[in-house]
Amino acid sequence: QQQVKQSPQSLIVQKGGISIINCAYENTAFDYFPWYQQFPGKGPALLIAIRPDVSEKKEGRFTISFNKSAKQFSLHIMDSQPGDSATYFCAASSVYSGGSNYKLTFGKGTLLTVNP
Amino acid sequence: DSGVTQTPKHLITATGQRVTLRCSPRSGDLSVYWYQQSLDQGLQFLIQYYNGEERAKGNILERFSAQQFPDLHSELNLSSLELGDSALYFCASSSLAGYNEQFFGPGTRLTVL
Repeated sequence: QQQVKQSPQSLIVQKGGISIINCAYENTAFDYFPWYQQFPGKGPALLIAIRPDVSEKKEGRFTISFNKSAKQFSLHIMDSQPGDSATYFCAASSVYSGGSNYKLTFGKGTLLTVNP
Repeated sequence: DSGVTQTPKHLITATGQRVTLRCSPRSGDLSVYWYQQSLDQGLQFLIQYYNGEERAKGNILERFSAQQFPDLHSELNLSSLELGDSALYFCASSSLAGYNEQFFGPGTRLTVL
């Protein structure tokens, strides 16, 4: 059972455009929603994260929008650049009883290509 | 650079063999997570250790095991390897401060022939 659904699988955007990647989750116990960026041959790098008590978080050109009632969150990349071309993963986690258990459940990833 | 180190970077072995992947977490991080990344399954959580103790298990096969040592480095042992075990294996670490920011290492690419 895929608990975090990510779309689209791939996305092509022109330089300067807005890239939008969407994720939906099922488990209402999730309380932490990070986005990771992965370049070929590298490990995932934490990009930005949000908690369910806020509806939006912005860091530079990257913004997360969060809709708790719809159980959806999205990543917006403003003024997309060729250097942003990478695979983006959304993820979610929850705190199990006893603490210290924060496994991440990942979406399948979105391959973003930004054309110059 | 996340501060998490993994060795080796690449590993090529044969079916039926056993291998050990090593991970050193960021300085000060007590929690280590192992993930497997494959084309068909994506990024899957395998197991978590916190300060030497196993804390959570995910989709980890019985042929796989892990441990975290007193110096906090961790090893993932994969035995009776099958072709389907070929994948990227990532280690991540966190300090458990705030909402568990996990920082990933560069990964070990395992190829089983």
